[in-house]
Amino acid sequence: NAGVTQTPKFRILKIGQSMTLQCTQDMNHNYMYWYRQDPGMGLKLIYYSVGAGITDKGEVPNGYNVSRSTTEDFPLRLELAAPSQTSVYFCASSQPGGPDTEAFFGQGTRLTVV
Amino acid sequence: DAKTTQPNSMESNEEEPVHLPCNHSTISGTDYIHWYRQLPSQGPEYVIHGLTSNVNNRMASLAIAEDRKSSTLILHRATLRDAAVYYCILRDVSYNTDKLIFGTGTRLQVFP
Repeated sequence: NAGVTQTPKFRILKIGQSMTLQCTQDMNHNYMYWYRQDPGMGLKLIYYSVGAGITDKGEVPNGYNVSRSTTEDFPLRLELAAPSQTSVYFCASSQPGGPDTEAFFGQGTRLTVV
Repeated sequence: DAKTTQPNSMESNEEEPVHLPCNHSTISGTDYIHWYRQLPSQGPEYVIHGLTSNVNNRMASLAIAEDRKSSTLILHRATLRDAAVYYCILRDVSYNTDKLIFGTGTRLQVFP
């Protein structure tokens, strides 16, 4: 029972490099989310998606891009990494039908930009 | 998006009850109150949710004020494993706008 799987778990990037954080879920959830969490802080929503082909900005979308070509996958792209993007990134998924459903989170990707 | 306000931190002794408050004075009629917690070095996990009535599950109880402007998460007997950051979230699932916004949360310390 995999749930939400994020890869990689850890990554060090140099300034200006690009990378894609992978997120996949096996629960057939329509809703998926990307968050970042800076040290000692709460989670900030980067992007979210309510279904394949539909994405929208969250609270802190600058410097990131997403796509949702399938229900299962929701990759997060960093095009030009900056030190300010050093953070732990969490992916989550949820079923619609509203508020009566819990969101499931992955274990996170710890990213350091140097 | 309606906002929630929680104390930054709380302390408890092991095996004592813990009452974690949350204020949400701008809550709308379609907002559900959700609680999540984040254990150290882990992703958040669901705890409980409710709309108007008090709710109980194996992890906790949720007491919702009659006017719905505040709620309290109750851990009946705190254990060391309950040390975490607890987030109170209002979830409005109007069509295609379920953003699931987190606030700053309450850091719960549990002492032996």
